Amino acid sequence: SAVISQKPSRDICQRGTSLTIQCQVDSQVTMMFWYRQQPGQSLTLIATANQGSEATYESGFVIDKFPISRPNLTFSTLTVSNMSPEDSSIYLCSVLRVPGELFFGEGSRLTVL
Amino acid sequence: GQQVMQIPQYQHVQEGEDFTTYCNSSTTLSNIQWYKQRPGGHPVFLIQLVKSGEVKKQKRLTFQFGEAKKNSSLHITATQTTDVGTYFCDDTGTASKLTFGTGTRLQVTL
Repeated sequence: SAVISQKPSRDICQRGTSLTIQCQVDSQVTMMFWYRQQPGQSLTLIATANQGSEATYESGFVIDKFPISRPNLTFSTLTVSNMSPEDSSIYLCSVLRVPGELFFGEGSRLTVL
Repeated sequence: GQQVMQIPQYQHVQEGEDFTTYCNSSTTLSNIQWYKQRPGGHPVFLIQLVKSGEVKKQKRLTFQFGEAKKNSSLHITATQTTDVGTYFCDDTGTASKLTFGTGTRLQVTL
């Protein structure tokens, strides 16, 4: 298993501002991902956070809107930039320890007014 | 990756009744994983199926992988209120691309 700490757990933000979400893992992992889960919906992969290089973004997600850092094998941040109400969602950090088996953080519930 | 479709989207059962959710793909799946997400919680890994026709059990939960590896099912026998949540299947695709199904939300009442 993996212990994953995400901060903040929830936040209410004003339109046009940016928020950075932190993800800390209790041990080194190669594969780390960021997901978005809109209310009542499934999980959508935003990007794979690569250590020491630029993140790999999925279709529909761009670096300018969701910049990601991965300075080492235990930590990553996701920034939601220039927020709008459509960005209100739960953002989840996850890691892959065993092939196919994802462990998730508790999630960061973001509300944009 | 292509999203796998789950049916039903929602099911409401009385405690003690059985429940089944199905996961269907138009393409052959390499592996399939099942996750449970309680209301307000995060997804928690339940099981991975790898082999064609594989059946695995966890207490009241039975997981099955189709012979053609294009579908899978999760069956819960005699549901309890603790089974409430959304069940997702997930297609590994490649080692790093994980595509979650649309999910089935289960409500259990006494």
